[in-house]
Amino acid sequence: AQKVTQAQTEISVVEKEDVTLDCVYETRDTTYYLFWYKQPPSGELVFLIRRNSFDEQNEISGRYSWNFQKSTSSFNFTITASQVVDSAVYFCALSEERYSSASKIIFGSGTRLSIRP
Amino acid sequence: DAGVIQSPRHEVTEMGQEVTLRCKPISGHDYLFWYRQTMMRGLELLIYFNNNVPIDDSGMPEDRFSAKMPNASFSTLKIQPSEPRDSAVYFCASSLGTANNPQHFGDGTRLSIL
Repeated sequence: AQKVTQAQTEISVVEKEDVTLDCVYETRDTTYYLFWYKQPPSGELVFLIRRNSFDEQNEISGRYSWNFQKSTSSFNFTITASQVVDSAVYFCALSEERYSSASKIIFGSGTRLSIRP
Repeated sequence: DAGVIQSPRHEVTEMGQEVTLRCKPISGHDYLFWYRQTMMRGLELLIYFNNNVPIDDSGMPEDRFSAKMPNASFSTLKIQPSEPRDSAVYFCASSLGTANNPQHFGDGTRLSIL
């Protein structure tokens, strides 16, 4: 069964602290994609990153970094030197590649991140 | 470039009324998705289209919900008759090439059924 678990419902840290958002997934497919999206207080959903199941290289983009580990079925997201503007709900998502039927896309329940000044 | 455009931004109506939500995807995108977001159930995929054809509607909650995509630049999600439990934020998103590519979301429609 396909599943995405974001066990951290809410996280609150003080500005400039590093914070890691956890994402654990379940899938039986060998080809799949993992995503992170950000939903700021204004409500829109913003794409942050996509990873496919064959690319386990970690990625860094400015203060953001992602750690993909197939051995533990995790795709964690770290914000370094957090800022108030990082306050948002962050969603991890899984999409399975299907060639004979529709792709399945599911989102985790989200982690609400609050950065205190 | 214009992003995904949804209308209306807010809708308040009484139960039993028909509600129609509208979406214009990014020009050139061939996939269109409808999602519903609630506190209880999170973000749920309702249906998605490829080249205007519904591919997976398994997330549509019941027969009161229907979605159409008459052309590449317009889609509607209709609820008839509406019920208070349909109150949620409804998002439309589009992507290019495959359903597994990054999705671009609209600002959402906040629907309140009284």
